[in-house]
Amino acid sequence: SAVISQKPSRDICQRGTSLTIQCQVDSQVTMMFWYRQQPGQSLTLIATANQGSEATYESGFVIDKFPISRPNLTFSTLTVSNMSPEDSSIYLCSVEESSYEQYFGPGTRLTVT
Amino acid sequence: AQSVSQHNHHVILSEAASLELGCNYSYGGTVNLFWYVQYPGQHLQLLLKYFSGDPLVKGIKGFEAEFIKSKFSFNLRKPSVQWSDTAEYFCAVKTDSWGKLQFGAGTQVVVTP
Repeated sequence: SAVISQKPSRDICQRGTSLTIQCQVDSQVTMMFWYRQQPGQSLTLIATANQGSEATYESGFVIDKFPISRPNLTFSTLTVSNMSPEDSSIYLCSVEESSYEQYFGPGTRLTVT
Repeated sequence: AQSVSQHNHHVILSEAASLELGCNYSYGGTVNLFWYVQYPGQHLQLLLKYFSGDPLVKGIKGFEAEFIKSKFSFNLRKPSVQWSDTAEYFCAVKTDSWGKLQFGAGTQVVVTP
């Protein structure tokens, strides 16, 4: 299975600032996803990021707040913009392999003060 | 709207006890079903999956799950748990071909020695 790394692993940020989270995969994958796991809750899909096309956002998530880049088949970034305490979450990227199995990165734990 | 329900939020049991975690989904079409596990301090790992065929699937670490189409269920089982099975378990459903996973709320399992 793909090995996925994320940077940073955690961060504490001030309200109103932005944070860019990086996701690196050790193999080329077409489909990458960004999820959010708020405290005590399950995972919610933010958007799907396919290389060469605009990210597709789920209901309740917008590009201005969560811009995503996907410059190549092994890398993606998610930016959390103009942060508020409600954005405190774990942000995870995942990839889907040809086996239709989805694998997850270790997550980025974000705290907004 | 589609949903995934996990019946128990917290389960505490002793080593060697049997474990069964319930998962139900609300979707009438073809589904792919997954169980993920998150051990303390680790990232999400795929435990097992069901795509088609034999409704009883076996995963890693002695876990198995049974797909019952008529009940829209995909329950996870392990006959004899170990302390190392302490983790959070997530049921997830995929209902279309492009990879979106919908997760249940998760079940925190604590196995006492």
